[in-house]
Amino acid sequence: EAGVAQSPRYKIIEKRQSVAFWCNPISGHATLYWYQQILGQGPKLLIQFQNNGVVDDSQLPKDRFSAERLKGVDSTLKIQPAKLEDSAVYLCASSAVAGRFYEQYFGPGTRLTVT
Amino acid sequence: QKEVEQDPGPLSVPEGAIVSLNCTYSNSAFQYFMWYRQYSRKGPELLMYTYSSGNKEDGRFTAQVDKSSKYISLFIRDSQPSDSATYLCAMKNTGRRALTFGSGTRLQVQP
Repeated sequence: EAGVAQSPRYKIIEKRQSVAFWCNPISGHATLYWYQQILGQGPKLLIQFQNNGVVDDSQLPKDRFSAERLKGVDSTLKIQPAKLEDSAVYLCASSAVAGRFYEQYFGPGTRLTVT
Repeated sequence: QKEVEQDPGPLSVPEGAIVSLNCTYSNSAFQYFMWYRQYSRKGPELLMYTYSSGNKEDGRFTAQVDKSSKYISLFIRDSQPSDSATYLCAMKNTGRRALTFGSGTRLQVQP
């Protein structure tokens, strides 16, 4: 079974630029999560999708971050414009059933550096 | 004050040692407790999941939850160099969708 795929793996941008990350979850997984992991901290949930609907985006900075999951499969997370404090690893995870929240399978992450 | 506190380490032990990793928390509503392992440049992977209080064992790993003390532990027996990673605790209550993660403890097992 293929794991969660993310691209790019690394991205360096200047502040005020925009950036987009892509995630392909495990086939058949209905629930998709985007996390932000700042160096030395645990992951923080940004947004959770159930199929192509948003079920939790309470910690998403909506003035600059946006995410979509078209057709309930792939997802993109966008930052526009980026700030220095957005430097972090952005992790995508998926789970087969929303109720089994502990069985989240994480991708390798995209490491974003904002200069 | 953070909801979940975890010593960042690094914790360095010799191969074969018993490792004890711990988290404390302040939110008494947490009912679900998890331990994840995260290797460098990788995403976290689930090691143990426990609901409410008690112990759970899986191979070399034992998870303990003491809700009265708001304290959880992960024990690793016969530690191996391949156990060298960052260990994250995570918690959840029924009223919140998101997991709350600790900041992680970096473990180094010396051969």
